[in-house]
Amino acid sequence: GQQLNQSPQSMFIQEGEDVSMNCTSSSIFNTWLWYKQDPGEGPVLLIALYKAGELTSNGRLTAQFGITRKDSFLNISASIPSDVGIYFCAGRRGDWGNLIFGKGTKLSVKP
Amino acid sequence: ETGVTQSPTHLIKTRGQQVTLRCSSQSGHNTVSWYQQALGQGPQFIFQYYREEENGRGNFPPRFSGLQFPNYSSELNVNALELDDSALYLCASSGAGTGGDEQYFGPGTRLTVT
Repeated sequence: GQQLNQSPQSMFIQEGEDVSMNCTSSSIFNTWLWYKQDPGEGPVLLIALYKAGELTSNGRLTAQFGITRKDSFLNISASIPSDVGIYFCAGRRGDWGNLIFGKGTKLSVKP
Repeated sequence: ETGVTQSPTHLIKTRGQQVTLRCSSQSGHNTVSWYQQALGQGPQFIFQYYREEENGRGNFPPRFSGLQFPNYSSELNVNALELDDSALYLCASSGAGTGGDEQYFGPGTRLTVT
């Protein structure tokens, strides 16, 4: 099935560092979502974006809906050990319907 | 407010058998979507149910079928299990009637086919 191009695949960072990851598509999306998944758990919604150019924050997390509507970015500032996990981007073409996911970015944080 | 729940947590089946997975949607949500997540991959859309009708389907064969009940809970049925069906099965609920709101996921059911 189709998946979005998400990068990087994995990151090893020091506690306190900032993190950036992104997601691209060859198709236009109307909605971009960012989820975090811990081992053995379902994905947890972090941020939802609905307008091209939109910049939305949730605590130390900031995400942007790309102007071309074909990409999105997630930044985490001042990382802490509990940020460890796999981050997924997901896009939706219409105003409703299924989500298309990236393969995930695995984040490891060294204390 | 009750979140999305799924049962069972883990399941081991033999190739050729049939399996039924269950999902209770979040309070106030009337749309349920099912996803398959293979190891190391992102979730893949199976199908969505709204008002007890299938409302969209991904690239999965007919042996994957589902139901939604009047209380918005849902079942995923898989017949003639294959080894490649081993995966985490995720249920997500949303409230806009046609999946337009954000989708909230349950913890998943880990299915192993031997």
